[in-house]
Order: sequence, then structure tokens, then C-alpha cells
Amino acid sequence: EAQVTQNPRYLITVTGKKLTVTCSQNMNHEYMSWYRQDPGLGLRQIYYSMNVEVTDKGDVPEGYKVSRKEKRNFPLILESPSPNQTSLYFCASSFSSAGGRTEAFFGQGTRLTVV
Amino acid sequence: AQRVTQPEKLLSVFKGAPVELKCNYSYSGSPELFWYVQYSRQRLQLLLRHISRESIKGFTADLNKGETSFHLKKPFAQEEDSAMYYCALGGNKLTFGGGTRVLVKP
Repeated sequence: EAQVTQNPRYLITVTGKKLTVTCSQNMNHEYMSWYRQDPGLGLRQIYYSMNVEVTDKGDVPEGYKVSRKEKRNFPLILESPSPNQTSLYFCASSFSSAGGRTEAFFGQGTRLTVV
Repeated sequence: AQRVTQPEKLLSVFKGAPVELKCNYSYSGSPELFWYVQYSRQRLQLLLRHISRESIKGFTADLNKGETSFHLKKPFAQEEDSAMYYCALGGNKLTFGGGTRVLVKP
């Protein structure tokens, strides 16, 4: 089954403790991205990747890192999480290296709470 | 810079009434417009895209380049249409609007 898989689904952590949220897709998509979803603010893009070893900042990249060593994986790294990073995170992937030209497939979301 | 604006955060309608979700965009190139839907506790999924010009679940959307709009419409809302709807603009990247929550009352 074609899908985007995020792990974990839920995470509660403490301020400053490094964490990684994984994202994997099995559709051979070139383009992958991370979004955070906050009430009243909709979906905001954190980082995106047009292909392996090619990443770029989205609209709200501060406090986050990403890497794209393999086509299928695009982990989101929070080196020193803070409470303002408490949010619902979505990973997405799509075929086009132009990013927005084709349907995006979303993961099921990761609800992160930083205390 | 590309931008998407959804002016209504919440739309509450009665079952059987028409519903229209507004979306305006800003983009200097040739836009690709999408509507995504998120039902309660589910992941976002594509509802429709302007290039296919099709009707999905009774919803339609027309791209108006002159008004830079891509409003989503349905003539008769159903309770199962209650969800969060996002307008999205594809260009160099995929940019989402702030979302509109639709509540269809019985």
C-alpha cells in the first residue's frame, strides 16, 4: 500500500531533550516536506526537500533540522525542543521535484508536546 | 512569494444548504491550485485540483485568474462534509492557506 509513515504518533518530551520524528514514503517520491499545524494558523511549512541531499527552509524553520540521505526518508530533528514547538506535525511527499505540481500524500501526523 | 488566504476560519451551515469556501492566492507564475480536506482525526487528503476540473463528493472549484481565486462550492451540504478544508497553491513548493472549518448541522 502506498503511504507516508510517521513515527511516533504521539510524543511528550521535556525542554532541551533532542528528538527525531521519522518520515518514510514508499512511492519513490522526489519531493518531501514537513508542516506544523496549529489552531488558527493552519499548515505552515518547516522544511522541504526536492531530492536526495537537497533541502531548503520553509516558512518556519527556526529550531528544526532535516536531512535527506535517502529518497524514502526525511527525518525532522529538534536539537533542543522548546514549549513553542508543541504542535501537530505532518510529513508529506509528492512526485514532482517542483514540489507543488502534483498531489501531496500526507502522513498520519505526530502530536508533540514539549513541557 | 506565494501566498494563500482563506478568510473564513469557520463556516456553519445547515444540511442541504449551499456552502462556499473562499480562497485567494498570490503567485507570479502559472498556479496549480488544490483543495485538501482533513476529516476528524485523519490525515489530509486531496479533494480536488483545478487542472482536472472534476467534481468530487459534489464539490467543485473554479480557478479565476483575474480575481486570483479558487473558491470551493457545494450546492447541498451533507453532515459528512464537516471537516477542515485547506486551499493550497503549488508552485516552487506547496503553500497552504490557514484552513476553514466547516460544520454542517442537521
